[in-house]
Amino acid sequence: ILNVEQSPQSLHVQEGDSTNFTCSFPSSNFYALHWYRWETAKSPEALFVMTLNGDEKKKGRISATLNTKEGYSYLYIKGSQPEDSATYLCAFSGGYNKLIFGAGTRLAVHP
Amino acid sequence: SAVISQKPSRDICQRGTSLTIQCQVDSQVTMMFWYRQQPGQSLTLIATANQGSEATYESGFVIDKFPISRPNLTFSTLTVSNMSPEDSSIYLCSVFAPGGLGETQYFGPGTRLLVL
Repeated sequence: ILNVEQSPQSLHVQEGDSTNFTCSFPSSNFYALHWYRWETAKSPEALFVMTLNGDEKKKGRISATLNTKEGYSYLYIKGSQPEDSATYLCAFSGGYNKLIFGAGTRLAVHP
Repeated sequence: SAVISQKPSRDICQRGTSLTIQCQVDSQVTMMFWYRQQPGQSLTLIATANQGSEATYESGFVIDKFPISRPNLTFSTLTVSNMSPEDSSIYLCSVFAPGGLGETQYFGPGTRLLVL
């Protein structure tokens, strides 16, 4: 059974803090690692699709790194803002258009 | 990219009844995917809906409980049959489509179901 783990489960930070969370995934049969942001009552929004070991991607204040050999990815948010409050999901793909999701990290940024 | 709408957005149902969820995509796609997220759990794939053939169900999900229709390349329905409180979940449909990130999966806003 393929397992994708995310930690921490939830996180409360103050506005302006930087934060990071972890996604662990199987290191074999790797095809891609996806990161999503999911705000309440909205569609999950794709942030990054990462495919190469050592990849680092950035979108504004959010960045992500990928280590396929050891099976982990980090998501970093620099200078958190209240609008960053959401659940952040990672999903492992071994190909064939099938994604296996972690349970997510719920981030709350307090003003 | 792809824009996906779902109906209903939420519902409260009695046990033993059935609910049909509709999913509409703004472009033609071969495969549509149905997921659910039970409280505190991961998004889990229920089935893949292919136009013109039977849906493919994941382990633990069966057609009698979650019948799926796929009448054309832009529309699908998922029925949650003979509901019990354990079916209380968020149900989402999704498609793969090219976009700014390369090919990625786009999701509808979800249907929040509460079964009493």
